Amino acid sequence: AQKVTQAQTEISVVEKEDVTLDCVYETRDTTYYLFWYKQPPSGELVFLIRRNSFDEQNEISGRYSWNFQKSTSSFNFTITASQVVDSAVYFCALIQGGSEKLVFGKGTKLTVNP
Amino acid sequence: DTEVTQTPKHLVMGMTNKKSLKCEQHMGHRAMYWYKQKAKKPPELMFVYSYEKLSINESVPSRFSPECPNSSLLNLHLHALQPEDSALYLCASRHQRAPNTGELFFGEGSRLTVL
Repeated sequence: AQKVTQAQTEISVVEKEDVTLDCVYETRDTTYYLFWYKQPPSGELVFLIRRNSFDEQNEISGRYSWNFQKSTSSFNFTITASQVVDSAVYFCALIQGGSEKLVFGKGTKLTVNP
Repeated sequence: DTEVTQTPKHLVMGMTNKKSLKCEQHMGHRAMYWYKQKAKKPPELMFVYSYEKLSINESVPSRFSPECPNSSLLNLHLHALQPEDSALYLCASRHQRAPNTGELFFGEGSRLTVL
């Protein structure tokens, strides 16, 4: 069975602080993909990043960075110098290669205060 | 702006009504999805269409009836819903390629309230 755990239900920071959103996953498959999606109040889920199970290289995109560690089954997401526009619910998700079912964590609600 | 368009954005219906949710994409994606999201919960998969054919039904009650009339459109017909069906209904699509890498493009959703 596959499972994604986001232990942080809500996080509140002040603008310009760095914040890390944790994600721990469980799967027995050797081929899988991990994702982060952002859901602003408008409702749509916005794709942020995909990582496959064979690529543990960390990635940086502007103020966003992701740390994928298979040894600890974690795929953490860091926002550097947070901004008010980063306020949203962030979902970590997992899909088995070839599957149609994206398994979501419960989400972390991030509030960035001015 | 999202490339997956959902209408209506808000819908209020009674338990005896019949209504439909509509989803449209013009990205040439041949896999389309309906997800249901209750407040403060993650999205849950309902249906998957692949090349306009229903490929997955996650044991959804028959009061929800999906339809994919062509490669760009996905409908969700609603009939005799219950108040607990009130939720945000999200449509998504993706490129049909193997292996499925799971990158989905989501619409903004239709927020349904059943009275």
